[in-house]
Amino acid sequence: TQLLEQSPQFLSIQEGENLTVYCNSSSVFSSLQWYRQEPGEGPVLLVTVVTGGEVKKLKRLTFQFGDARKDSSLHITAAQPGDTGLYLCAGGPETSGSRLTFGEGTQLTVNP
Amino acid sequence: DAGVIQSPRHEVTEMGQEVTLRCKPISGHDYLFWYRQTMMRGLELLIYFNNNVPIDDSGMPEDRFSAKMPNASFSTLKIQPSEPRDSAVYFCASSFPLRDTGPLHFGNGTRLTVT
Repeated sequence: TQLLEQSPQFLSIQEGENLTVYCNSSSVFSSLQWYRQEPGEGPVLLVTVVTGGEVKKLKRLTFQFGDARKDSSLHITAAQPGDTGLYLCAGGPETSGSRLTFGEGTQLTVNP
Repeated sequence: DAGVIQSPRHEVTEMGQEVTLRCKPISGHDYLFWYRQTMMRGLELLIYFNNNVPIDDSGMPEDRFSAKMPNASFSTLKIQPSEPRDSAVYFCASSFPLRDTGPLHFGNGTRLTVT
């Protein structure tokens, strides 16, 4: 069974601070996705990374896929209250025909 | 595009009652997933369908849970009889053809409370 561990589980910071969230596994994934979930809603896809070492930027968010495709990180620069939410990473399996494995999530609170 | 539509948004029922959750996937998506989310266990995959056929139901907790997809635009998840430990938010998600590893488009969930 493939497992994804996210850290930290909870993060509370002030507006304007930077932060990094980690997603780690002992398994190799074909791709890694990051979702954000707000209260009362379903998760919404932010980005997909598929190549080892790949870096993608989405405004103030930077996503990186590890060289060995076992881990990923999400860095937010100058966090804003609108960034508050549950951030979930999800890995696609190395072999085809299966399903995404979700991490348990990082609950981020950005205080004004 | 209306997105994935789930109903009801909230369901409160007594232990032992039957509960039916409904989902309408995005038109053109032929993968449909049912997930359950709790604080303790996070987001768990219960079952998924491809072209209306169940592919993997290994996440279904026990025989009290069943899911059907009678056509490409409708799916149900049924719990009979319900128990307090079934209380959770249940999400339906769909994805594009040949993409059973996502990206997934989630509905807004059904919050189930079993008393």
